Amino acid sequence: VQLVESGGGVVQTGGSLRLSCAASGFTFSGHGMHWVRQAPGKGLEHLAFIGYDGSFKYYADSVKGRFTISRDNSKNTMYLQMNSLRPEDTAVYYCARWDSGANDHSGYYLYWGQGTLVAVSS
Amino acid sequence: QSVLTQPPSASGTPGQRVTISCAGSTSNIGGNTVNWYQQPPGTAPRLLIYSNSQRPSGVPDRFSGSKSGTSASLAISGLQSEDEADYYCAAWDDSLNGPVFGGGTKLTVL
Repeated sequence: VQLVESGGGVVQTGGSLRLSCAASGFTFSGHGMHWVRQAPGKGLEHLAFIGYDGSFKYYADSVKGRFTISRDNSKNTMYLQMNSLRPEDTAVYYCARWDSGANDHSGYYLYWGQGTLVAVSS
Repeated sequence: QSVLTQPPSASGTPGQRVTISCAGSTSNIGGNTVNWYQQPPGTAPRLLIYSNSQRPSGVPDRFSGSKSGTSASLAISGLQSEDEADYYCAAWDDSLNGPVFGGGTKLTVL
């Protein structure tokens, strides 16, 4: 199993970036997928998730209305379109595979990508 | 301010047993399972414990997890230098309808 993020970089306040998460080694269309970020020296923050078929999406309040999660199961890839970026969005962005336990709320992240750095300059 | 509350730091000497606590509420830990992640410096998080007390393949049995009511704990016995890392608890939050993390605990092996 491998998850590889790409698309990070330096962008000015108010700008946009699209992150990608390329998956391999498992049936991508069978798993919900999540984005988690970590600001420099800070803890983990859950941002968004998308159901296995893309029909369900969730966003944390901190990014709602600015970020859009999507996936293309034919390409085994998940995306995060980030608009109206702010300096506080500066972080390493990880994608992670959601593995369900006894129910969807008992899931966990067994696999993580290596992360991609987004830096928003003011 | 994280939804789940962890102590910011913990420490121990090699061979010692340390525990890290994680406090939540009825909307998260009280009603759902708890997971723990280990993050050595400069690396991505790694799943350490899932479903309160289960270890993924490859995680040593020195690591154990437990849950009681709205709190959970991670115990590390026979502390080793390579255990020095940040540790995060996580659980689904029914009010937020999404996963939440603790603020993380930095473990130092003295």
